[in-house]
Amino acid sequence: DAMVIQNPRYQVTQFGKPVTLSCSQTLNHNVMYWYQQKSSQAPKLLFHYYDKDFNNEADTPDNFQSRRPNTSFCFLDIRSPGLGDAAMYLCATSNRKFSATEAFFGQGTRLTVV
Amino acid sequence: DAKTTQPNSMESNEEEPVHLPCNHSTISGTDYIHWYRQLPSQGPEYVIHGLTSNVNNRMASLAIAEDRKSSTLILHRATLRDAAVYYCILRNSNDYKLSFGAGTTVTVRA
Repeated sequence: DAMVIQNPRYQVTQFGKPVTLSCSQTLNHNVMYWYQQKSSQAPKLLFHYYDKDFNNEADTPDNFQSRRPNTSFCFLDIRSPGLGDAAMYLCATSNRKFSATEAFFGQGTRLTVV
Repeated sequence: DAKTTQPNSMESNEEEPVHLPCNHSTISGTDYIHWYRQLPSQGPEYVIHGLTSNVNNRMASLAIAEDRKSSTLILHRATLRDAAVYYCILRNSNDYKLSFGAGTTVTVRA
């Protein structure tokens, strides 16, 4: 059974139109991550949460925001998508109590900007 | 984040072992060595991790150099399903960031 679920799997949005990607987890992990992965590149960490504490990577554009209303859900908001934001967006979770252990990834949402 | 260096690509024949090297010369005493892999069109999945001693699990083995400045992921008998990008990552036990380097693309020939 899927433990980190991302919806939708594919998302098409218009240039400049706000879009929200969602992630849910059944693992009760306190750390959640969002990554951006462009074609033929490694996943790039955008930000992560430890519980409700938000940690933004220094080079994450201001156009990207995130919300975590509770332990199970996390959202990625792209305020004004540009063509360069077309990518796979990956959500992952980890248990802070066992910081050396594995992270679990969702299947990703592939975002197309038209 | 401490950096890792991996070859861009490796090829293997099916049923043969694959040895994937990773250099991490700036590793600190509290960094764990993690390996993840990403199959085409899927999210990354955990493979194995270790601190100082060699580790084995159902997917692979991890051999860690005595000075911890390098490690090798060993796939004992490669199958076509092992074709993926393999990422070697250092994860600090005092932190929870998980940052990916470029990875090694593994191709398995039938």
